[in-house]
Amino acid sequence: SQQGEEDPQALSIQEGENATMNCSYKTSINNLQWYRQNSGRGLVHLILIRSNEREKHSGRLRVTLDTSKKSSSLLITASRAADTASYFCATEGGYTGGGNKLTFGTGTQLKVEL
Amino acid sequence: EPEVTQTPSHQVTQMGQEVILRCVPISNHLYFYWYRQILGQKVEFLVSFYNNEISEKSEIFDDQFSVERPDGSNFTLKIRSTKLEDSAMYFCASSEGRGPQETQYFGPGTRLLVL
Repeated sequence: SQQGEEDPQALSIQEGENATMNCSYKTSINNLQWYRQNSGRGLVHLILIRSNEREKHSGRLRVTLDTSKKSSSLLITASRAADTASYFCATEGGYTGGGNKLTFGTGTQLKVEL
Repeated sequence: EPEVTQTPSHQVTQMGQEVILRCVPISNHLYFYWYRQILGQKVEFLVSFYNNEISEKSEIFDDQFSVERPDGSNFTLKIRSTKLEDSAMYFCASSEGRGPQETQYFGPGTRLLVL
């Protein structure tokens, strides 16, 4: 598998339900970040979790990181129709002398229906 | 809240033409990046830039591509002779630093279509 693969590829839920998306990666990382992308639009940063953290919360978002399994999950609680978007994980793997490139996953398309 | 801006939002060009995509990073940020996303595919790293130098570039970033910070606010990506396969959404990003908790903030993107 490639660095940064999310599953499921697509997820359809009802408003009010929780949505869980998973991300797996292959190499060691400094941090893992989750981004949201509305159709054809820009990337909005949601949350960053460092490699020495196991869980982080931000509003209705909960992110976990298991570096032993090289995986992360993003939980969106009490989903809303406005949460409909694609969600990407991105890993940052180290310093290159100037800036840190992000390696993105394939994304999960979330659809929240009324 | 400060944000990364990009112009134009859409660009249509003929194969072989040169295009310049423009970005204004967040003002106190020091690290700048370009990424691209071909329709339906992953976001891919192109290049990172710090202290007026390229710090890393991907295999995609060949001799047809160049970046420049012509003044204190703009950051540009130039594609010298566009190919059909350069059609993609191009994202500029910036970060304040490079530590393990540095977030990269992305602009809204420029959709480039090469005909």
